[in-house]
Amino acid sequence: DGGITQSPKYLFRKEGQNVTLSCEQNLNHDAMYWYRQDPGQGLRLIYYSQIVNDFQKGDIAEGYSVSREKKESFPLTVTSAQKNPTAFYLCASSITGVNTEAFFGQGTRLTVV
Amino acid sequence: GQQVMQIPQYQHVQEGEDFTTYCNSSTTLSNIQWYKQRPGGHPVFLIQLVKSGEVKKQKRLTFQFGEAKKNSSLHITATQTTDVGTYFCALADRGSTLGRLYFGRGTQLTVWP
Repeated sequence: DGGITQSPKYLFRKEGQNVTLSCEQNLNHDAMYWYRQDPGQGLRLIYYSQIVNDFQKGDIAEGYSVSREKKESFPLTVTSAQKNPTAFYLCASSITGVNTEAFFGQGTRLTVV
Repeated sequence: GQQVMQIPQYQHVQEGEDFTTYCNSSTTLSNIQWYKQRPGGHPVFLIQLVKSGEVKKQKRLTFQFGEAKKNSSLHITATQTTDVGTYFCALADRGSTLGRLYFGRGTQLTVWP
């Protein structure tokens, strides 16, 4: 079945450690996105990528990094520079274009202690 | 970037009552999308509206796009407990071919049996 997979579902890390969240899709979508969701907030865009080896900062990119070495994969690294990393992280993909829907993964809930 | 205001932030209704959430923008929109996120889940695409004054129905859900394409609404008739979740509107970046979406803060719907 086609879809978008995020792993792990829950992740715990100590403060000061970098952590990488996985996102894989087999929908053959060119565009991929990372969103952060906090309680009572909408979805805020961290990074997005339209093609392999290219990505753009979203609205809250500070303290995060990404790579897009393969079309199917768009991992997100939460670095120690991110001041408040505890959140729900959602990966999404879509075909490129203005009138396209986004398909979301199940999300990763990151807790930094 | 573009901004969309969504109200109300929370809505509590008794089963059988109606529910409406509204999205408003200060600029004319090319389209608007609606997503539903169940508690603990991920956003799932519901519908996209493109034409001025457009009205679309999905069973008990009615979606409207304003004549000026600056606002939209989602109305649920006779809510059921299965309607519980957060409803987000999202609009596409008009200046981009990528299709990145700007999400409203969402309306969290609680339905009491």
